Amino acid sequence: DIQMTQSPSSLSASVGDRVTITCRASRAISNYLAWYQQTLGKAPKLLIYGASTLQSGVPSRFSGSGSGTDFTLTISSLQPEDVATYYCQNYNNAPWTFGQGTTVEIQ
Amino acid sequence: QVQLVESGGGVVQPGRSLRLSCAASGFTFSSYGIHWVRQAPGKGLEWVAVISYDGSVKYYADSVRGRFTIARDNSKNTLYLQMDSLRAEDTAVYYCAKKMTLNRGAGPCDYWGQGTLVTVSS
Repeated sequence: DIQMTQSPSSLSASVGDRVTITCRASRAISNYLAWYQQTLGKAPKLLIYGASTLQSGVPSRFSGSGSGTDFTLTISSLQPEDVATYYCQNYNNAPWTFGQGTTVEIQ
Repeated sequence: QVQLVESGGGVVQPGRSLRLSCAASGFTFSSYGIHWVRQAPGKGLEWVAVISYDGSVKYYADSVRGRFTIARDNSKNTLYLQMDSLRAEDTAVYYCAKKMTLNRGAGPCDYWGQGTLVTVSS
């Protein structure tokens, strides 16, 4: 099975900071990589799919990159409403594994 | 608009069974695969199972294979998760989530329900 490893597990940054989260797959998954945002007590929300395609309605400060085994989610200018846990997911094939999550807080 | 509404959660003793439902609306249910994803209290997301648009293909996580069964009734726009031989470690919020792409195309989950809590405890 493919394992998805995110880093860091948590981070704290200031409003306006550039934030980067990485996700590594244990073997190549092409670009079958999605990023989700989950705020406290809510269901996850799709942010990015195909490693770099922004889901409709998602602010342009979010971006994704990567292919194969190494992927990145970037928030170009952190906003208070971005406080959440972010998950990557492999959707190449079963099992559709998630990373362990990265919690983003405001300093 | 797309809606997914889970139901059927509750408190159940270890070893017993429970069936979850996910009622879908706002899209052509019979054209999309649907996932179950769970989240234990304070933990991350864990993929549980997926069923193809027509119910012919099913996959399960190792942690539930042989105990859980995913099914769908396209005439009722409803997804099910039959959970047998429940364990304490199955305690979680269970979400159903629609696959973004039609039929068998690979795709992420673009819509999620609000989740239903299952607590396995004596």
